[in-house]
Amino acid sequence: GAVVSQHPSWVICKSGTSVKIECRSLDFQATTMFWYRQFPKQSLMLMATSNEGSKATYEQGVEKDKFLINHASLTLSTLTVTSAHPEDSSFYICSATRLAEGTDTQYFGPGTRLTVL
Amino acid sequence: AQSVSQHNHHVILSEAASLELGCNYSYGGTVNLFWYVQYPGQHLQLLLKYFSGDPLVKGIKGFEAEFIKSKFSFNLRKPSVQWSDTAEYFCAVTPMDSSYKLIFGSGTRLLVRP
Repeated sequence: GAVVSQHPSWVICKSGTSVKIECRSLDFQATTMFWYRQFPKQSLMLMATSNEGSKATYEQGVEKDKFLINHASLTLSTLTVTSAHPEDSSFYICSATRLAEGTDTQYFGPGTRLTVL
Repeated sequence: AQSVSQHNHHVILSEAASLELGCNYSYGGTVNLFWYVQYPGQHLQLLLKYFSGDPLVKGIKGFEAEFIKSKFSFNLRKPSVQWSDTAEYFCAVTPMDSSYKLIFGSGTRLLVRP
């Protein structure tokens, strides 16, 4: 159990366009979902934390108007990269904590590789 | 600021060798501690975690980690590595007052030679 999926697994887009990435908890209800960014050969950097039905909490330095997060249900969160630029190219990973578990163990999705041309 | 340090960025071992990966964190309060593994081309998977109790934690695939509070450390160990352990290993902590926010170390790339 505790499977998290992301869609798409990779996407290439033109500069200036917007890209939406979905994160779903497939077999559990997620209390909280997290969005991370991973640069090549570097660690994961937390971008934002989202709870169903409320506004996301962004980490310092992350532009909330550029990285729009919508947490529509206990199983779905979306990250939209608006007006993407080449510097937004990265690996975006989501994770979720399980409502029933009541702990802060995070289950990670497989990631989405975004390339902005 | 809270941080997690992994001192070994790259480790190369032969099969059957013993492994110890260092992890230190900077935070004075109570923390939860995790080791995650990322196999090539795969997503992060939880190896083991420590919340409370016995500071020696056993995880999957023969891994264990020891929490030493006085040293702010949570080192990962395996007595005999296998080629299939080739992966990147991340130490992470959640300060108890941080609403479940994980702070990751920079990761250690382990290469096990057959």
